[in-house]
Amino acid sequence: SQQGEEDPQALSIQEGENATMNCSYKTSINNLQWYRQNSGRGLVHLILIRSNEREKHSGRLRVTLDTSKKSSSLLITASRAADTASYFCATDAGNYGQNFVFGPGTRLSVLP
Amino acid sequence: DARVTQTPRHKVTEMGQEVTMRCQPILGHNTVFWYRQTMMQGLELLAYFRNRAPLDDSGMPKDRFSAEMPDATLATLKIQPSEPRDSAVYFCASGLVQTVSTDTQYFGPGTRLTVL
Repeated sequence: SQQGEEDPQALSIQEGENATMNCSYKTSINNLQWYRQNSGRGLVHLILIRSNEREKHSGRLRVTLDTSKKSSSLLITASRAADTASYFCATDAGNYGQNFVFGPGTRLSVLP
Repeated sequence: DARVTQTPRHKVTEMGQEVTMRCQPILGHNTVFWYRQTMMQGLELLAYFRNRAPLDDSGMPKDRFSAEMPDATLATLKIQPSEPRDSAVYFCASGLVQTVSTDTQYFGPGTRLTVL
């Protein structure tokens, strides 16, 4: 089974609202990363949080990591229609990249 | 603005034909990943190279898929013979792995393969 599992699978909100997506994983990790994918495009790296960090910010993005619960959340504040995309978490469990796994993703729709 | 490039962007072929997809990683990156994305299976890791050496290709059907990195500027993924179930978007990603951890991966735009 996959290391990372996003929740919910799909999320629909109004522009201006906040969007929260969660990621759970099973084994110990070195870092956890969030990526965005616009329809028909490649994935774009958003933010990386290491196992010894609890929270990181980047613009309107806030990522938390709870290693005791093996979970992470991605918060997008004041969402915009342009934030409509699929969001993936990826976990790195070391071994020089051989234990790097993407979750199935959350499909976010931001309605104008 | 360094980026990963992939060719072709789209490929339509008939079952049984050979398909070759190419990827040019970002200069200086030492790792290359090949992924396949479908609606049903999501993102699947097919192969992984570090310093041009294949480290993990356990996700790849060995009887028909092969991945190589003939030099630091080119990675190839070949399917021979292709089957309709190979229809998917194939992504290449590169990154710089200097420790046991894997940091940011930079994705190419993908090759959309349709096998009729």
